[in-house]
Amino acid sequence: QQQVKQSPQSLIVQKGGISIINCAYENTAFDYFPWYQQFPGKGPALLIAIRPDVSEKKEGRFTISFNKSAKQFSLHIMDSQPGDSATYFCAASIWDTDKLIFGTGTRLQVFP
Amino acid sequence: EPEVTQTPSHQVTQMGQEVILRCVPISNHLYFYWYRQILGQKVEFLVSFYNNEISEKSEIFDDQFSVERPDGSNFTLKIRSTKLEDSAMYFCASSESLAGGQGEQFFGPGTRLTVL
Repeated sequence: QQQVKQSPQSLIVQKGGISIINCAYENTAFDYFPWYQQFPGKGPALLIAIRPDVSEKKEGRFTISFNKSAKQFSLHIMDSQPGDSATYFCAASIWDTDKLIFGTGTRLQVFP
Repeated sequence: EPEVTQTPSHQVTQMGQEVILRCVPISNHLYFYWYRQILGQKVEFLVSFYNNEISEKSEIFDDQFSVERPDGSNFTLKIRSTKLEDSAMYFCASSESLAGGQGEQFFGPGTRLTVL
């Protein structure tokens, strides 16, 4: 119940294409859903986050889509660039708790 | 830009030895965390720390683990008697407020622990 399932495990996209990463959860108490980006040798860095009171949040080329009834959320990267090549983790948390529950990660490679 | 720092970047130890991993959180942050990432796997929560005490810990964080904020700037994770399965990347994180609130967690670059 505490798990967050993430897919795909890896993704190869051509430069300029759209990258889509999906996550699903079971615990309806989750109410904070961040996406983290991790480059090799670095710690995860917050990319964008959403709360369940909205269905979509956009920041630049990055958009989170959230489907509360399906308990799913996804990250869309528009106009993907080689510099976006990294591992992306979705995560979830419950209001007023400390811990982030991470998905298993998606390794994105964007080729020129 | 303020950042979380961690030392050492890589620690090699023999099974059964004690290790201390060190972190300097962002200076105005109040909440501190340790996570670990076994190679190729997801990031897992270990423990959170606020107001000089543990606020939450996972099943992984057993009696072999302890955390401490020995002074106003450092935050440490001690593993008393390391096991082979403790080999992982350990990330320290800090935030101004709770994860479920507005508190973005800022992660350090990690310490790679290798237990031989």
